[in-house]
Amino acid sequence: EPEVTQTPSHQVTQMGQEVILRCVPISNHLYFYWYRQILGQKVEFLVSFYNNEISEKSEIFDDQFSVERPDGSNFTLKIRSTKLEDSAMYFCASSAVPELFFGEGSRLTVL
Amino acid sequence: TQLLEQSPQFLSIQEGENLTVYCNSSSVFSSLQWYRQEPGEGPVLLVTVVTGGEVKKLKRLTFQFGDARKDSSLHITAAQPGDTGLYLCAGGRNTDKLIFGTGTRLQVFP
Repeated sequence: EPEVTQTPSHQVTQMGQEVILRCVPISNHLYFYWYRQILGQKVEFLVSFYNNEISEKSEIFDDQFSVERPDGSNFTLKIRSTKLEDSAMYFCASSAVPELFFGEGSRLTVL
Repeated sequence: TQLLEQSPQFLSIQEGENLTVYCNSSSVFSSLQWYRQEPGEGPVLLVTVVTGGEVKKLKRLTFQFGDARKDSSLHITAAQPGDTGLYLCAGGRNTDKLIFGTGTRLQVFP
């Protein structure tokens, strides 16, 4: 069964470092998303991406964040200068509308 | 801001009991999805409901979308320890982002 895959599963980084989280969405899906979940809190929307551009972003998704689909398969989330409060599980999702399918997540720990 | 409130937040029950989880909003959604999330993993889709009043069954789980498409419920019959997890409702409007509910953490004891 097709699935969304994410790498790395866990990344530990120093505050101020750049981090890139990678996702391979389900191949025939056209809509891509990043969500995050701080430990013990709700799943929060970060950004949606369609037709090679951002279609919507939340207030969390500030200038420190960027997304890219550099080739036909990968979808990346970059955090330029990580902060302690960026520590969370980051989930990639892809959609064939209306259902979203999530990856297993990338756990980011910022020290 | 669209909010989806789930109740209860926490639920601890014995195996064999029935339970209902509620998901309420003041906003109308074109679809509502229920997910289950295990610790350290991503949400796994259980069901999508799109029509007001729609009822879907998935084995012992029954999902209902409110007539006005603002609320939904999940009913589990004869809960099993394997049902333990975090249950999330999420509302969507066509291609928009999904708004997730606050979650209900279910613990079923043998």
